[in-house]
Amino acid sequence: AQSVAQPEDQVNVAEGNPLTVKCTYSVSGNPYLFWYVQYPNRGLQFLLKYITGDNLVKGSYGFEAEFNKSQTSFHLKKPSALVSDSALYFCAVSPRTDTGRRALTFGSGTRLQVQP
Amino acid sequence: NAGVTQTPKFQVLKTGQSMTLQCAQDMNHEYMSWYRQDPGMGLRLIHYSVGAGITDQGEVPNGYNVSRSTTEDFPLRLLSAAPSQTSVYFCASSDREETQYFGPGTRLLVL
Repeated sequence: AQSVAQPEDQVNVAEGNPLTVKCTYSVSGNPYLFWYVQYPNRGLQFLLKYITGDNLVKGSYGFEAEFNKSQTSFHLKKPSALVSDSALYFCAVSPRTDTGRRALTFGSGTRLQVQP
Repeated sequence: NAGVTQTPKFQVLKTGQSMTLQCAQDMNHEYMSWYRQDPGMGLRLIHYSVGAGITDQGEVPNGYNVSRSTTEDFPLRLLSAAPSQTSVYFCASSDREETQYFGPGTRLLVL
């Protein structure tokens, strides 16, 4: 069975500082990895994904994530945080299958608070 | 494109009532799915469909039914609502590049 761990319920960072939101996963084979962001009372918005290729993935709004196969991690990063980045962030994993099933397994979420 | 749309936005049910949560997408995606979001638990897959006429169970299917008669629509039915089904429900559709696009959600309260 696949699983995703986001070890921090909340991350606090000052505006302008770099931020990291951690994610580790467990899945058999080579996974697809995703980050989504959720603003209050909204649906989830896609940020970025790792399918194959370069381990450093660049996404929307200046976010990036690094796929580390040996550590089974996919941490989300941004060089300079903005107050508007404050939201709930979800890491998700999907196994590669031949069945067409694209079931995302989500972590429990990390709330990012960026202080002015 | 409207993307993924869901209705209603909010619903209150009494225990034992039935209802259908509507989901539609205009991106011609074959894959669609339903998730529920509960505090501290992320999102969990209820049912999914890989195309019209094909559905399958996800992680937490009990108490829910789905059907997929068209590519665009993927309704979720609660046959007999229970307080444990109080949650926020999200519908999603996926492109061929594996990215899932989520609707705005339906907030359901079962009394």
